[in-house]
Amino acid sequence: QVQLVESGGGVVQPGGSLRLSCAASGFTFSSYGMHWVRQAPGKGLEWVAFIRYDGSNKYYADSVKGRFTISRDNSKNTLYLQMNSLRAEDTAVYYCAKDLTVTTSLGDAFDIWGQGTMVTVSS
Amino acid sequence: SYVLTQPPSVSVAPGQTARITCGGNNIGSKSVHWYQQKPGQAPVLVVYDDSDRPSGIPERFSGSNSGNTATLTISRVEAGDEADYYCQVWDSSSDHYVFGTGTKVTVL
Repeated sequence: QVQLVESGGGVVQPGGSLRLSCAASGFTFSSYGMHWVRQAPGKGLEWVAFIRYDGSNKYYADSVKGRFTISRDNSKNTLYLQMNSLRAEDTAVYYCAKDLTVTTSLGDAFDIWGQGTMVTVSS
Repeated sequence: SYVLTQPPSVSVAPGQTARITCGGNNIGSKSVHWYQQKPGQAPVLVVYDDSDRPSGIPERFSGSNSGNTATLTISRVEAGDEADYYCQVWDSSSDHYVFGTGTKVTVL
């Protein structure tokens, strides 16, 4: 079945770094755009970053631009989020999600989500 | 940046109809997607492209979008529909995906 499984979360000090991974299975990973979305404790959803199916274009929320890097390895069916210069306000559950359709257009819905991985930034 | 505004909460009796609004400047010109999130779980897509339903989503869930307001309608509400609901669009002017503020639906 179609599945996304995140890993790599944990506790990190302010200013530190962490790399999240999202392992995909059950679909042709290399054909779909992929996203990272986060949710701070008790708060709403916040889109973080998007990468096109072939990695050719990347988009970031203003809150993470210049600190986070989204990437993918289509040979390993894996999506990544490198997070540097972490701040307390980055504390959240991080979800990966896939685009609904095989499209080169932006704005597609997110039809499959992982279970999330928790990132806590604290000293 | 583009802002999507939702009512914080909506309460509805079982069997009745819940309507959740999502307000944004000329949102009618955008494709709106809706997600349901139950406590401790990942979001689930319930409506995409304003009014389409993914496979497995009951017909009780429907959507509309016009002018400055998009609406998710849940007909014949059941206890299992109690959850947070989020609208979402792509803002081409900023190249950002945007989520609404979220609405907690309580089934009385």
